[in-house]
Amino acid sequence: GAVVSQHPSWVICKSGTSVKIECRSLDFQATTMFWYRQFPKQSLMLMATSNEGSKATYEQGVEKDKFLINHASLTLSTLTVTSAHPEDSSFYICSATGDRDDQETQYFGPGTRLLVL
Amino acid sequence: AQSVTQLGSHVSVSEGALVLLRCNYSSSVPPYLFWYVQYPNQGLQLLLKYTSAATLVKGINGFEAEFKKSETSFHLTKPSAHMSDAAEYFCAVSENSGYALNFGKGTSLLVTP
Repeated sequence: GAVVSQHPSWVICKSGTSVKIECRSLDFQATTMFWYRQFPKQSLMLMATSNEGSKATYEQGVEKDKFLINHASLTLSTLTVTSAHPEDSSFYICSATGDRDDQETQYFGPGTRLLVL
Repeated sequence: AQSVTQLGSHVSVSEGALVLLRCNYSSSVPPYLFWYVQYPNQGLQLLLKYTSAATLVKGINGFEAEFKKSETSFHLTKPSAHMSDAAEYFCAVSENSGYALNFGKGTSLLVTP
């Protein structure tokens, strides 16, 4: 159990376009989802925390108007990178916690690699 | 704020040798501590976690970690390394259930024949 999927697994887009990444909990209801960004050879940096039905809480330095997060249901959260630029190229990973006995554990998706040309 | 420090960005061991990956934490409250493994171009897989129960925690793939409050450490060990253990390992801490994780910088484990 505790499977989290992400779609797409990789995406290439032109500078200035917007990209939407989906994160789904497949076998549990995710009350909280997290979005992380990972640059090559570096650790994961938390971008934002989203609770179902509420506005996301963004970490300092993360532009909320650029990285739009929607957590409209208990199984789906989306991250939209608006007007993407080459510096937004990164590996984006979501995680989720929810209605399980191990609520302290975050289960991670497989990640989405974004390349902005 | 909670944080973790992983000592050694790269660790190399021979196949069959002991694996020891170090993690020290800083927390003002009893922490939740985790070890995750990441294979190339993949997400993170939970190896094991400490949630204030037993101090010696056993995880998947033969890994275990011991919570030592006096040393503020949560080192990851495995008695005998396999080639398939080569990956990036992250230690992480959170202050409460359902809170975001603060990750260490990661340790890349290389296993040589």
